[in-house]
Order: sequence, then C-alpha cells, then structure tokens
Amino acid sequence: QSALTQPASVSGSPGQSIAISCTGTSSDVGDNNYVSWYQQHPGKAPKLIIYDVSKRPSGVSDRFSGSKSGNTASLTISGLQAEDEADYYCSAYTTTSTWVFGGGTKLTVL
Amino acid sequence: EVQLVESGGDLVQPGGSLKLSCAASGFTFSDYAIYWVRQASGKGLEWVGRIRSKTNNYATAYGASVKGRFTVSRDDSKNTAYLQMNSLRTEDTAVYYCTRTLGGGFDSWGQGTLVTVSS
Repeated sequence: QSALTQPASVSGSPGQSIAISCTGTSSDVGDNNYVSWYQQHPGKAPKLIIYDVSKRPSGVSDRFSGSKSGNTASLTISGLQAEDEADYYCSAYTTTSTWVFGGGTKLTVL
Repeated sequence: EVQLVESGGDLVQPGGSLKLSCAASGFTFSDYAIYWVRQASGKGLEWVGRIRSKTNNYATAYGASVKGRFTVSRDDSKNTAYLQMNSLRTEDTAVYYCTRTLGGGFDSWGQGTLVTVSS
C-alpha cells in the first residue's frame, strides 16, 4: 500500500486560511469515509484533529475543517495562528483492512 | 482519562528481537482494537499493525514492511497489548506508538517508545 500524497510544505500568514491536500486512490481515500487528519508538534505524539472526513473530536477548534472529493481529501485551517505551526498527516482506511498515512506536510506560519 | 503507555524500547542488533508493551487505562480496553504506528526520526508516520477485540476474533493485520516479522497480541486481563518484533532491520529504527480508534481516526496516543536497531 503506497503512502497517500501530501504537499511537503505549506505556509500562510496569521489570520489567513490554508488548505492541505491528501491524494490517494479508489482503494483508500476514495473507498470510504474513514479519512482522518493529525497535527504533530516537534517531539510530541500526533493529535487527532479530524476523523470520518469532516468530524472534529471534542476540544478541537472549529478553525479546522475537513472535506473529500473522489480520491482527494483536504484539511482547511482558517484564521491561522502561530500555534498551528506543526506537521500535519492524513490517514485513510484501505480495502485490504489496513491503514495508510500520508507523507506529512510542514505548515509554517509566517 | 484515556491513557496508553508504551514501554520496552531498546537498542538491539540487526536480526534480533524485541517485545513492546502498551498498557491502557481509562476505558474498556477489551472493547477496542489496538493499533501500532511508528515514526523514524525526521520521517512520517507508518502504520504497523493492529489487533481487534475478542468480539472480532482478535483479528490481526500488518503493514507490508513488517508482515511476517512482527506480531501483535493482547492480554485483556492485563489491559495490555504487545508488539513482538523479530528479524529486526536497521530500517525498523523508530519511535513506536500504540493507539486506538474513534470512528475512522486514531484518537488517543501514547508517548511512544524508541527502538534502535544498530550494531
């Protein structure tokens, strides 16, 4: 199972909105709604911020939103804040009952 | 509060074996599948494997890079899951996390345990 494709880096200024794409295939992202997103700060464990394509766990800011179209999922962060600077990973459930992650995207807040 | 605590990471020689543990608390452990995810230094996340609950026959599944070498198991009486790693390679060097799912996402993570494979 190949890793999902994410841009290596994105950047934005405080207050702006950015989007991170996650492209898979009809065997993972395009097959079901088990797409999730994680935020990871240096030296820390990943934190779930979006699950089931667009749901937010309790306590996660509504500045984070998710969507999906075909084989591509997207994470949008609105009203960028300095503390949003982190690595972001997508993940999807596959038709072989395994999971696959994206390669990760480094978000820089300018 | 849901807690997952990994342990057992160590320095091991190529070709060696190591067994990691994941101790859980704060939730009904026996109801949940447990997953292992790893991350090499400076690299992305990689799904390693999982074991489902007794209700789902303790079914296991593995990522392609570890299949046939790693085995996931659990002891519900001890609220603990395990990752037995055999025939270790230098490319298995990573921080290993255990986690569980909330719907289609991994909602709780441990702090990770470092496995270093080197001669």
